[in-house]
Amino acid sequence: DTAVSQTPKYLVTQMGNDKSIKCEQNLGHDTMYWYKQDSKKFLKIMFSYNNKELIINETVPNRFSPKSPDKAHLNLHINSLELGDSAVYFCASSQDEFRLKMWDGYTFGSGTRLTVV
Amino acid sequence: QKEVEQDPGPLSVPEGAIVSLNCTYSNSAFQYFMWYRQYSRKGPELLMYTYSSGNKEDGRFTAQVDKSSKYISLFIRDSQPSDSATYLCAMSALAGAGTRGSYIPTFGRGTSLIVHP
Repeated sequence: DTAVSQTPKYLVTQMGNDKSIKCEQNLGHDTMYWYKQDSKKFLKIMFSYNNKELIINETVPNRFSPKSPDKAHLNLHINSLELGDSAVYFCASSQDEFRLKMWDGYTFGSGTRLTVV
Repeated sequence: QKEVEQDPGPLSVPEGAIVSLNCTYSNSAFQYFMWYRQYSRKGPELLMYTYSSGNKEDGRFTAQVDKSSKYISLFIRDSQPSDSATYLCAMSALAGAGTRGSYIPTFGRGTSLIVHP
């Protein structure tokens, strides 16, 4: 059973399109995240949700909008895609975000490789 | 200067070698230090974490933290071809205030390790 699953794994789309990436976790974790990994492999947090509530919203363009229908799901919708949005997007989850038990760490999904052409 | 510096490599070693991976950082508030391993086309997985300074050992892996030098290391003994991956360091300081504080980690860019038979 996959703990954190993302779909799709690969996404190739044209500039200006709108696309969504879905994420689901079956670990019973309270908190979910979206991370972006650029071509130089830097992992940067974009959003964090705890029990469907937005906790962290880093400086990302407002073309990116997360949506959490329930605590097991966190989707990422991107409007008006640009070339610079090409990256790998990782969903992650963790238990108890406010008193983060660091020995649990994060559980990451396998990533969605987005290519904007 | 980035908050966390990590040489991207690649680092190529023969099977059985002792591998040393390192990160330096500038934020003296970092308290938790983690190492993640990322295989190609996969999400990062937590290998080890330590709190404050000191050493921690887990099988063939040893993590060291020297807060006075702002330097952390991961040692891999008897390296195997299956250890070939990118190793990302990550570190956290308490962010936010009151009950909504959280330990969102800052990641290094990762070091690519190749262990050849």
